[in-house]
Amino acid sequence: KAGVTQTPRYLIKTRGQQVTLSCSPISGHRSVSWYQQTPGQGLQFLFEYFSETQRNKGNFPGRFSGRQFSNSRSEMNVSTLELGDSALYLCASSLMGSGVRTDTQYFGPGTRLTVL
Amino acid sequence: DAKTTQPNSMESNEEEPVHLPCNHSTISGTDYIHWYRQLPSQGPEYVIHGLTSNVNNRMASLAIAEDRKSSTLILHRATLRDAAVYYCILRGGGGATNKLIFGTGTLLAVQP
Repeated sequence: KAGVTQTPRYLIKTRGQQVTLSCSPISGHRSVSWYQQTPGQGLQFLFEYFSETQRNKGNFPGRFSGRQFSNSRSEMNVSTLELGDSALYLCASSLMGSGVRTDTQYFGPGTRLTVL
Repeated sequence: DAKTTQPNSMESNEEEPVHLPCNHSTISGTDYIHWYRQLPSQGPEYVIHGLTSNVNNRMASLAIAEDRKSSTLILHRATLRDAAVYYCILRGGGGATNKLIFGTGTLLAVQP
């Protein structure tokens, strides 16, 4: 089975622009979560989708949004980019959709976003 | 969500066992203990999880204290490829979410 794929792998944008990142989960997985990783804050949860519905959202401003499609692929969007949005954005997929405590999250390689 | 405490860094020699500790004194009875690791320039990957009993898989062993307030991830023979940041995470019940709360983890260095 192919793993979680994220596109693009690297991205350079300037302040004020907007960006869309894409995530394709493992085949059959219906839950997709997004995380932001920075040297200062570490790995922080952004949001989680299951069956096209956002189930949980982290403590990020409204500039960060996401969606999930019927084929479980997910996109996240960041509008009005700021320098502090430079980070590695990670997507994770899992089989279960009900927060099963034994469920494994499978992470993609991430998209490295640089904001100039 | 219950928190975990891990040492910032540890060192090991290649082919020797490594014991990575994690304290979780506020763990609840339904919290599972999960370990993930993040190799350089990669996303995190699942290592192992357990509830009360010690667990083994092809990657590692997880030893859980009897009172469940601490646990230890054991790599039986460290290789250079095991150099990574190791995260100990509690996953509790209540609420339909797959959210993982990552701490700062332990940076494991493996010397040849």
